Amino acid sequence: DTAVSQTPKYLVTQMGNDKSIKCEQNLGHDTMYWYKQDSKKFLKIMFSYNNKELIINETVPNRFSPKSPDKAHLNLHINSLELGDSAVYFCASSQDGVYGYTFGSGTRLTVV
Amino acid sequence: KQEVTQIPAALSVPEGENLVLNCSFTDSAIYNLQWFRQDPGKGLTSLLLIQSSQREQTSGRLNASLDKSSGRSTLYIAASQPGDSATYLCAARPKGGSYIPTFGRGTSLIVHP
Repeated sequence: DTAVSQTPKYLVTQMGNDKSIKCEQNLGHDTMYWYKQDSKKFLKIMFSYNNKELIINETVPNRFSPKSPDKAHLNLHINSLELGDSAVYFCASSQDGVYGYTFGSGTRLTVV
Repeated sequence: KQEVTQIPAALSVPEGENLVLNCSFTDSAIYNLQWFRQDPGKGLTSLLLIQSSQREQTSGRLNASLDKSSGRSTLYIAASQPGDSATYLCAARPKGGSYIPTFGRGTSLIVHP
């Protein structure tokens, strides 16, 4: 199936831990994104990345970092997790948005 | 900076009604506008994509229109069904720059039998 896939689907971890969320797309898209959806369901862009440019939302703490081993993958690393990081994180991809955006099914992160 | 507003924030209707969901944006310099559906605990499913040169797109019982000059898009759902219950989100992709879409906060729809 052509898609954007994220793993894991659920992640429960303790404060202070470091964790990663993986994202892969097989759509041949040039650009990948990470979004955070808060408890009020608002989607906030965290990062946008293609092979030319990384765009970081300046409000994102530097404990969050994207890592792209190749064009089809954009992983999200989070250091020193805090309670406020609990949210659903979505990965997405596009061909520069020309034909719209395709989203993964999300990773629900719970920090305890 | 682009701002996208969706009205109403929530809607509860009986089955069979025709519905209109609104999405307004402050900067008319958009490349396209996309409507999504999100079921509880799930990801976003694309419903319709309207390019800036288009006025509307249709898929089954869904019809989306775009009026760039007034900064509005409308999602029309005909003959609503309980299975249409979900949150509907619109996202505007800018014409230039980073190509990052701006999302509205969504309309939460409940269609009861």
